[in-house]
Amino acid sequence: ETGVTQSPTHLIKTRGQQVTLRCSSQSGHNTVSWYQQALGQGPQFIFQYYREEENGRGNFPPRFSGLQFPNYSSELNVNALELDDSALYLCASSWGEGAYEQYFGPGTRLTVT
Amino acid sequence: ILNVEQSPQSLHVQEGDSTNFTCSFPSSNFYALHWYRWETAKSPEALFVMTLNGDEKKKGRISATLNTKEGYSYLYIKGSQPEDSATYLCAFRAPYAGNMLTFGGGTRLMVKP
Repeated sequence: ETGVTQSPTHLIKTRGQQVTLRCSSQSGHNTVSWYQQALGQGPQFIFQYYREEENGRGNFPPRFSGLQFPNYSSELNVNALELDDSALYLCASSWGEGAYEQYFGPGTRLTVT
Repeated sequence: ILNVEQSPQSLHVQEGDSTNFTCSFPSSNFYALHWYRWETAKSPEALFVMTLNGDEKKKGRISATLNTKEGYSYLYIKGSQPEDSATYLCAFRAPYAGNMLTFGGGTRLMVKP
């Protein structure tokens, strides 16, 4: 196992609602990235947090936002949920922005109905 | 938009067969190429991080090669075993992009006993 945990494992929400997903980094890691994996596709980069600040973002709208806490755990928040937000959400932790090794959690499966 | 492609999408082999998959990526602005092994309901597991043209890496029965000039990497599995059944993902990293990974769609390998 990678030492990266995510909660919850599964979640069902209704269109228009808001959701918060959580990620605990591997011990000592100060960088967290979030990815969305839609069915049949590879994971897509949402954004990255380094030392509590967002410092990189993929092609996702502002209703996808995040936080990183002083202990380097992280949250992904999605507002105004749409059906297309149904996906597996993965977080990955690493030490530093240019780290070669990134360690992934098992993901949170979000279903929007 | 970076384009990372993997082929084949899926592969069924018999136990003992050797197999290989391809990952193609942009040949310019290369920083690193990652390979992950992902079993259902588990975290993606890092196999290799490859950075130099001509790199060859090996881990047990699994090996990988890298050609950055032509933009491809091969992953080989010698003597496939049922426990090798998983999705194999490659991910491209460009320079100055933080830890952002651009993933291919994956190759799903099923090894029949």
